[in-house]
Amino acid sequence: NAGVTQTPKFQVLKTGQSMTLQCAQDMNHNSMYWYRQDPGMGLRLIYYSASEGTTDKGEVPNGYNVSRLNKREFSLRLESAAPSQTSVYFCASSDTAGPYNEQFFGPGTRLTVL
Amino acid sequence: QQQVKQSPQSLIVQKGGISIINCAYENTAFDYFPWYQQFPGKGPALLIAIRPDVSEKKEGRFTISFNKSAKQFSLHIMDSQPGDSATYFCAASMIEGTYKYIFGTGTRLKVLA
Repeated sequence: NAGVTQTPKFQVLKTGQSMTLQCAQDMNHNSMYWYRQDPGMGLRLIYYSASEGTTDKGEVPNGYNVSRLNKREFSLRLESAAPSQTSVYFCASSDTAGPYNEQFFGPGTRLTVL
Repeated sequence: QQQVKQSPQSLIVQKGGISIINCAYENTAFDYFPWYQQFPGKGPALLIAIRPDVSEKKEGRFTISFNKSAKQFSLHIMDSQPGDSATYFCAASMIEGTYKYIFGTGTRLKVLA
């Protein structure tokens, strides 16, 4: 099992460009999440999908859109990138059926917006 | 109400020493408190977790102490090793509902050899 995979690993964008971060999990998990990690800010939830077909905003959704393509895949789109979106982005998944909802994280995408 | 406050921001400990990281929360609806460990260039991974029906949970050298009345919980790393050098995040969640985590801001631990 690969767990949670993310592409790309690194990306440099110019202000105003758009891009989509891809995430896939092979653990048959129901829930998926997108976080951003910034120095001194910890991990902040951008969007999440509790189950296939549903998405909801997290703490910092502005400037982002998401698509839960199927049970395995959850993508994050930046329509018009801004320097404030320079960050490390993590995708995670969890099996909501269990009593302990451990979240499994991918390796991250390091995004720089110039 | 939704914040989880974590301290210290960074910590340096000698090999064999005890590392202690503290977290505090406000929302009494939180009922699941995990700790995640993150090595440089990697995603966070679950280290240990506790529910508020117990005051302490131990797994090897790692212990969570939980004080429900004070709304505080802490991670103790006994006999700290250089391999423990990483960033540690506490988090809080509600089992019932959407399983969202609220993370603390992280503690960068360095264990000196």
